[in-house]
Amino acid sequence: GNSVTQMEGPVTLSEEAFLTINCTYTATGYPSLFWYVQYPGEGLQLLLKATKADDKGSNKGFEATYRKETTSFHLEKGSVQVSDSAVYFCALTVSGGSYIPTFGRGTSLIVHP
Amino acid sequence: EAGVAQSPRYKIIEKRQSVAFWCNPISGHATLYWYQQILGQGPKLLIQFQNNGVVDDSQLPKDRFSAERLKGVDSTLKIQPAKLEDSAVYLCASSLETSVLRGTQYFGPGTRLTVL
Repeated sequence: GNSVTQMEGPVTLSEEAFLTINCTYTATGYPSLFWYVQYPGEGLQLLLKATKADDKGSNKGFEATYRKETTSFHLEKGSVQVSDSAVYFCALTVSGGSYIPTFGRGTSLIVHP
Repeated sequence: EAGVAQSPRYKIIEKRQSVAFWCNPISGHATLYWYQQILGQGPKLLIQFQNNGVVDDSQLPKDRFSAERLKGVDSTLKIQPAKLEDSAVYLCASSLETSVLRGTQYFGPGTRLTVL
């Protein structure tokens, strides 16, 4: 079956620190990979995506590269801000007649001034 | 472009009562998803529709949960009777699923259900 494993949180950083949130996956088939963000009290929003190996998704200073050889899609940002405090979800979909989505458990990020 | 609409935003019921949630997806999106998100966990897919047909409902507790999307547009998720463990946020999402946007989902704000 398909699964997504994220690093345990919370991740606590000071403003302007470097961020890495690890995500690895297993999939039957060729997945598309996603990072979603959930700000406090809000629904999930797509942050970035990558649909094939070696693609790099980027948005709002966040980046993630689809690594097929290591089955990973780690999220990075060079300098975090307090406003980045949220829960980040790694997810995949696999085409098999339809795009069945699988989410990780989420990683909480707390950024202090 | 309007986003995914859900109602109500909050609902408090007692166990063994019934409850229904409504979702209106983004116009033109053929695929609609219902998720259950328990506090501290990632969303768990309950059911996926393609137009008005069910694609996957393998994780839907069919003895108490039901969902329909009669005209291939908006959808209703029902719980009857509710249990304490059904307390969660119920998320609706939709997607267009062209080859470029493969699998990208757009989420509504969710309905927070509390079962007492």
